[in-house]
Amino acid sequence: EAGVAQSPRYKIIEKRQSVAFWCNPISGHATLYWYQQILGQGPKLLIQFQNNGVVDDSQLPKDRFSAERLKGVDSTLKIQPAKLEDSAVYLCASSLGDSSNQPQHFGDGTRLSIL
Amino acid sequence: GQNIDQPTEMTATEGAIVQINCTYQTSGFNGLFWYQQHAGEAPTFLSYNVLDGLEEKGRFSSFLSRSKGYSYLLLKELQMKDSASYLCAVMAHQAGTALIFGKGTTLSVSS
Repeated sequence: EAGVAQSPRYKIIEKRQSVAFWCNPISGHATLYWYQQILGQGPKLLIQFQNNGVVDDSQLPKDRFSAERLKGVDSTLKIQPAKLEDSAVYLCASSLGDSSNQPQHFGDGTRLSIL
Repeated sequence: GQNIDQPTEMTATEGAIVQINCTYQTSGFNGLFWYQQHAGEAPTFLSYNVLDGLEEKGRFSSFLSRSKGYSYLLLKELQMKDSASYLCAVMAHQAGTALIFGKGTTLSVSS
């Protein structure tokens, strides 16, 4: 089966600019996650969707980050305006449902560099 | 609060056995996952434990003790390709099904 697709693979922008990332989960996967992974750290959840509804966005900096999954399939994550501290890899993951034993499958991520 | 600890780095030689430990303190517990992440690549799923005991899958095994808040990942017959970061992650009730990750253990395997 095809894996989680993310684009772009790399992005370089200046601080205060805007950027958007796209994710297409594995077909049939109802749950979609966006994680932020800063160099040398483990991934940290930004937002979790179940179909097109938000399950958890408690750690999403809502003054600058937004995400949507309008049709319950692919998703976009936006940062506006970007700060230097947003330099990280943004990982999208998906899983079949909301059962605890369903492993999450990750995309290769988007590596964001803020100048 | 939530806290997951694992060693930052480990080194081992080809053919050896290595054990990567993980201790956790979370509000609620719904399972523990181990992921492997090669540099610049996506984390890939290795194992899942929700009950106490050992889960074996080929060269990799994972152990869980819920009462001690402790897990380990055991890698046998190490190969050069096992050089990677190993991430311990806990699913806590309050986090839905999202994972809380440790910082990862970078394993270097030498010949």
